Amino acid sequence: AQSVTQLDSQVPVFEEAPVELRCNYSSSVSVYLFWYVQYPNQGLQLLLKYLSGSTLVKGINGFEAEFNKSQTSFHLRKPSVHISDTAEYFCAVSPQGGYQKVTFGIGTKLQVIP
Amino acid sequence: NAGVTQTPKFQVLKTGQSMTLQCAQDMNHNSMYWYRQDPGMGLRLIYYSASEGTTDKGEVPNGYNVSRLNKREFSLRLESAAPSQTSVYFCASSEVDRYEQYFGPGTRLTVT
Repeated sequence: AQSVTQLDSQVPVFEEAPVELRCNYSSSVSVYLFWYVQYPNQGLQLLLKYLSGSTLVKGINGFEAEFNKSQTSFHLRKPSVHISDTAEYFCAVSPQGGYQKVTFGIGTKLQVIP
Repeated sequence: NAGVTQTPKFQVLKTGQSMTLQCAQDMNHNSMYWYRQDPGMGLRLIYYSASEGTTDKGEVPNGYNVSRLNKREFSLRLESAAPSQTSVYFCASSEVDRYEQYFGPGTRLTVT
């Protein structure tokens, strides 16, 4: 079994400031990790994923995340946010070899303040 | 390509009524999924279909049935709606052994 913990339900940040959205996971097997973004009244879309290789993963819209196996974390970062980044962000985990079994976190609402 | 489409976008039901949520994808994906999204609970998997002709229960299947009509379409049926099924329902699809899921725009269901 696996689980995902998103430590912050809401994160307000001023425009052009940096942001970090935190995600920790728990699993008894090796996993793949994802961040999805949901804009208001839309479905989720993939922001970035970690499958293997470099632990620093770059995604769309200037976001990046770092996989830290020892701390079982996959925090999402952006050095300078825009108003358009206002959305809900979901961390997700899937066991390797179990692509159907994705577990999502409860989401973090990022509010960018002008 | 339209991607993943869902109908209807909104629905209000009375307790005990039935309805079917429709989902279709045009990406030739083998796998399809139904999730529900509730405040403070993230997305929870209701049912999934790894390939045409197969369906499996997810985390919260009680009160739902599904049909994989063909490779493109995967429907979710509520036989006797309950207020606890008030939620936003998302359909998604993916290729086999590919971990990225593509989501539809959702159906907002209210059961009174």
